[in-house]
Amino acid sequence: GEDVEQSLFLSVREGDSSVINCTYTDSSSTYLYWYKQEPGAGLQLLTYIFSNMDMKQDQRLTVLLNKKDKHLSLRIADTQTGDSAIYFCAERGYGGSQGNLIFGKGTKLSVKP
Amino acid sequence: DTGVSQDPRHKITKRGQNVTFRCDPISEHNRLYWYRQTLGQGPEFLTYFQNEAQLEKSRLLSDRFSAERPKGSFSTLEIQRTEQGDSAMYLCASSQPTGTSGSVYEQYFGPGTRLTVT
Repeated sequence: GEDVEQSLFLSVREGDSSVINCTYTDSSSTYLYWYKQEPGAGLQLLTYIFSNMDMKQDQRLTVLLNKKDKHLSLRIADTQTGDSAIYFCAERGYGGSQGNLIFGKGTKLSVKP
Repeated sequence: DTGVSQDPRHKITKRGQNVTFRCDPISEHNRLYWYRQTLGQGPEFLTYFQNEAQLEKSRLLSDRFSAERPKGSFSTLEIQRTEQGDSAMYLCASSQPTGTSGSVYEQYFGPGTRLTVT
């Protein structure tokens, strides 16, 4: 079945790098996404990666994809207090379910000054 | 563009009542999605439309739930005979095809409607 798993909490110090990990089960997923949710707000799309890529960099964000292990990670360089939020990994459904995203439970990132 | 908007932002209702939520997508986005999010969980897919056609419905969408997108623009989600288990944040998202093959469909989310059933 389709399932996306993430660790629930991560705490880092301001200025350090954060690495948020995610595993997924559907090997035929075409796109994998990272979203950020701040308290009381909707989800903000941060970045996505196509399944034939193994890395994508966008300013402070680096996404790594290990398709063999079905492992996705999001690295945030020079983490700031404004990065404190819940980060969701999501895979896009396959076959007849190409419309929906399947989300993990989210990783709560706390950044200490 | 002002992004995806949802109305109302909060709704408190008594069990057994009907409620209706509205979503206005980003203009020219041809796909519109509804998700439900409960505390401590990620969003769960409910249904999506391409233009006015409802292309997929999740098993979560019981027969008490109905969604429409009559003119391919805004959408409504109605819950009939609400139950306490319906209490959640209802999120709407919209997208259009992007990428070189037109297959990326980045979904942009609205702020959500928080439903509390008492």
